[in-house]
Amino acid sequence: DAMVIQNPRYQVTQFGKPVTLSCSQTLNHNVMYWYQQKSSQAPKLLFHYYDKDFNNEADTPDNFQSRRPNTSFCFLDIRSPGLGDAAMYLCATSRDNQPQHFGDGTRLSIL
Amino acid sequence: AQSVTQLGSHVSVSEGALVLLRCNYSSSVPPYLFWYVQYPNQGLQLLLKYTSAATLVKGINGFEAEFKKSETSFHLTKPSAHMSDAAEYFCAVRGYSGAGSYQLTFGKGTKLSVIP
Repeated sequence: DAMVIQNPRYQVTQFGKPVTLSCSQTLNHNVMYWYQQKSSQAPKLLFHYYDKDFNNEADTPDNFQSRRPNTSFCFLDIRSPGLGDAAMYLCATSRDNQPQHFGDGTRLSIL
Repeated sequence: AQSVTQLGSHVSVSEGALVLLRCNYSSSVPPYLFWYVQYPNQGLQLLLKYTSAATLVKGINGFEAEFKKSETSFHLTKPSAHMSDAAEYFCAVRGYSGAGSYQLTFGKGTKLSVIP
């Protein structure tokens, strides 16, 4: 049973066209994370929500935004995607300091 | 700041042979360490974790890792490789982000190939 669900699995967008990736969870975890993973690289944390508190990593570009309307859902918005934003985007959740559970990711392609 | 270094971006073993994936950590406080596995086009799955209890940690799929403070290492092993073990493996260390939240810092990953 999928517990961290990312939709869609594959997303294609045009250069500069806003795109939203979604993540939902059935674990009732209070922390949700978004990572960017480029080909053959480690996942890189973009930001996370601890409950309703948003925590942005210092080097996350302003082009990346996030919303968490309720405990179960979290969205990643890319306002003006560039070619360098093509990557796998991973959502993860945790209960406080417990290990993180990952979704299967959304692979984003930019045309 | 905490970090992990994985030695070897690509490791190949024969089916049935020992798997050894290396990870060294750097931390100013007792670390919490993790190994994750990633199959192609999937997310990361937790293999095992070290949280300052037993130094030898057993995980899923027959993997285990030993925490060695004197060597600042947390190497992942499996006695006998299966074809299904072919994947990418990430070592990670947990750090405190403040305000009650934690983050993982990952190594660069080691891609394991299993030769029939």
